[in-house]
Amino acid sequence: QSVLTQPPSVSEAPRQRVTISCSGSSSNIGNNAVDWYQQLPGKAPKLLIYYDDLLPSGVSDRFSGSKSGTSASLAISGLQSEDEADYYCAAWDDSLHVYVFGTGTKVAVL
Amino acid sequence: QVQLQESGPGLVKPSQTLSLTCSVSGGSINSDIYYWTWIRQPAGRGLEWIGRISSSGNTNYNPSLKSRVTMSVDTSKNQFSLNLNSVTAADTAVYYCARLRLVVGSGWFDPWGQGTLVTVSS
Repeated sequence: QSVLTQPPSVSEAPRQRVTISCSGSSSNIGNNAVDWYQQLPGKAPKLLIYYDDLLPSGVSDRFSGSKSGTSASLAISGLQSEDEADYYCAAWDDSLHVYVFGTGTKVAVL
Repeated sequence: QVQLQESGPGLVKPSQTLSLTCSVSGGSINSDIYYWTWIRQPAGRGLEWIGRISSSGNTNYNPSLKSRVTMSVDTSKNQFSLNLNSVTAADTAVYYCARLRLVVGSGWFDPWGQGTLVTVSS
């Protein structure tokens, strides 16, 4: 039920910046806030960004979120090897009456 | 800080009922601002929201699973539970419990339990 579309993978060299897109619709991203989760290999997801662009306590400020219309983005600056993980966007969908997650993006540090 | 821990059988036979419990520590499950949720992830695939329950027992389920899902909460034990009946191999997944913070127009899952793998097989 992945109605939020993300690129399958992105890669970049250390210390560079990557951006992950999350495309939705008016019933989810267009009308509700977006969250982002980081899932390290073999681990549970962890909240990275909430309410479009807010950082939870303890999360590095190298991560930032933004939203425009029915799309959202997660940016990682100063890329580090420890950032290699899967990243998921999420939002409530008013039409489906469910929380929907993105298709997930694997970040690789070259 | 609040921690969540899933428990339950790792193997369930087809057509039977999957039952999991999430124990909450470091804080009370009784809250007006938090819901308690279940999310699952088949191997190598994405996340699927199963449903949520408040400490007073109000529930919302994913319509795709609604006919088979029941959630309950036991405030005396600081636990909440998931029952999924008539399981098939398609229900094989890692099941996570998580706390859901609700605000107008949004909600976020934090923290998450470590997850428990449930395999449906005879």
